[in-house]
This record gives sequence, C-alpha cells and structure tokens, in this order.
Amino acid sequence: AQKITQTQPGMFVQEKEAVTLDCTYDTSDQSYGLFWYKQPSSGEMIFLIYQGSYDEQNATEGRYSLNFQKARKSANLVISASQLGDSAMYFCAMRGGTGGFKTIFGAGTRLFVKA
Amino acid sequence: EAQVTQNPRYLITVTGKKLTVTCSQNMNHEYMSWYRQDPGLGLRQIYYSMNVEVTDKGDVPEGYKVSRKEKRNFPLILESPSPNQTSLYFCASSLSGGHTGELFFGEGSRLTVL
Repeated sequence: AQKITQTQPGMFVQEKEAVTLDCTYDTSDQSYGLFWYKQPSSGEMIFLIYQGSYDEQNATEGRYSLNFQKARKSANLVISASQLGDSAMYFCAMRGGTGGFKTIFGAGTRLFVKA
Repeated sequence: EAQVTQNPRYLITVTGKKLTVTCSQNMNHEYMSWYRQDPGLGLRQIYYSMNVEVTDKGDVPEGYKVSRKEKRNFPLILESPSPNQTSLYFCASSLSGGHTGELFFGEGSRLTVL
C-alpha cells in the first residue's frame, strides 16, 4: 500500500534562515504526483508546490522548492528565507501510482519560525 | 471568486442523528473528494469522485456515504453518526483526477458527535 512518512512532528527555524521538511513516500508505480500543502493556524489548506514523478528538474515556487530524489523516494520541501508567516502545519501528499486516484497525506510537520 | 464551499462550518450533534455536510465548487472541476483530519494522523481520504455519478472509496469510508448527481456538488452523508466521527472535515476539488492536479480545499467543517 502507498504511504507518506513525515518524520518531523515539529521543527523550529530562525527567521530568515532556510529549513528543510522531510517527506518520504512508498509506491511501486512509476507515475505519480507529489504535493505540499500548508495549513496555518486559521485552518485553511493552501497548495504550495507540485512535483511529477517524471519531472527531471526539481520544482520551485518562489521561496519554496522541492528536493526530489526519486531513487530514495523522498520529496523534501525547502523553504528559503523563513518568515514569521511560515509558522504553520505542512503536509506532504501523493496521488497516483498504485493508489490510483486516491490522494494520501503524511501526518504533517509543524513549523515554528522564531524572530 | 473560485472557491469550494462547505456547510455547516461547525456542527454539534448526537449519536445516531443523520446529518449531511454539503460541498459545492464553482470551478467546473471533475475531481472532488472528502477528507477527515485528526491530530497526529494528517488527512485521510473518505471518498472521492472522478465525475458525475462516479464515486469511489478512500481509505476510511466506513460510516459515510456520498453522491455526485451534479458536477458542482458532492455532499457527505453520515447516516448514523458516532462519537468516533468527531473530526475536522475538508472537501476538496481538482481540475482532473490525474496526478497533476492540485487540490482546492473548502474551509473545513468541524463536527462533534456526542
């Protein structure tokens, strides 16, 4: 069965520094998509970045980049120049592959940005 | 404004009293789905729908029903709610069900079953 693992329940980062949030996934298929979502304390879910399994380049969206290592089945989120507003819960998710059209999420990482 | 709308946002009910959480999207998306969020477990998919009249089970479908009679609406039905269904529920939609489409989420519905 497919699985997403986020091993960091909580992390602290100093404002203006970069931080990496870990995500590993398990699938036996070759075609799938990986996503990161942000959930601020207000509760809404916000899409951040997408990486396709066949994409050869790492995805980037502004201060967010996805460090995709297919052989290691990891899709870490890198946030550069952290801001106080980055304090939130972050979820890694996957759709496709052996899960078909299901979307599965990891348990999440809570990020705290310190001033 | 493009959005996914869920109602109610907050609900307290009692065991066994049937309830429906509505979900509507105005983006003409084909794919819609329901999730529940519980502490330490992330989001778990309840049901999803690839298009009108096409629905399928996610990872935690027990105790829930859905229907997709119109493209824009995807209600979640709890026929006989139980306390273990107390949770935060999200409806989401995506342009397509393929693995390239990001999810657009509703604001969430917090349900308490006493």
